Amino acid sequence: DGGITQSPKYLFRKEGQNVTLSCEQNLNHDAMYWYRQDPGQGLRLIYYSQIVNDFQKGDIAEGYSVSREKKESFPLTVTSAQKNPTAFYLCASSIFRIPFVNTGANVLTFGAGSRLTVL
Amino acid sequence: GQQVMQIPQYQHVQEGEDFTTYCNSSTTLSNIQWYKQRPGGHPVFLIQLVKSGEVKKQKRLTFQFGEAKKNSSLHITATQTTDVGTYFCPYNQGGKLIFGQGTELSVKP
Repeated sequence: DGGITQSPKYLFRKEGQNVTLSCEQNLNHDAMYWYRQDPGQGLRLIYYSQIVNDFQKGDIAEGYSVSREKKESFPLTVTSAQKNPTAFYLCASSIFRIPFVNTGANVLTFGAGSRLTVL
Repeated sequence: GQQVMQIPQYQHVQEGEDFTTYCNSSTTLSNIQWYKQRPGGHPVFLIQLVKSGEVKKQKRLTFQFGEAKKNSSLHITATQTTDVGTYFCPYNQGGKLIFGQGTELSVKP
């Protein structure tokens, strides 16, 4: 079955440590995204990548880093510079087309999420 | 800049009652999507609306896109406990989807 796999599902980290969240997709999607969700809040975009070896900052990129060396993989590193890292992290992917309105394109498929807690 | 506001932020209904959530934009939208996130889960795509005045139905769910493509609504007829969750209407901004806070629906049996 095609889908997106995020790991780990739960992660605990001490202050000052970097952690890397894994996101792998076998949907052959072009674009991948990382969102952060805080309790009772919406989703905020951290980073996104529309093509291999290229990525752009979202609205809250500070304290995070990403890489896109393979089409299937888009890992997110939460660095010690991120002041409030405790959150639910969601990875998503989509077919990417321009113009954006093409039916079926640019529809996000999400992974199950990774819940990070800083102790 | 473009903004899409979703209202209400929370809605509590008795099972069997109808429910509607609205998304209103300050500018014309090229398209709008709707997602549902169950408690503890991840967002799942429901539908995409593209055409002015478009109406689409999925069983008890009715989605509308306004004539001016500045607003959209999701109406659920006769809510069930399985409808519980948060409904989002993200919009496209420069090739990425921007999510707001959504509308959190709770259903009392």
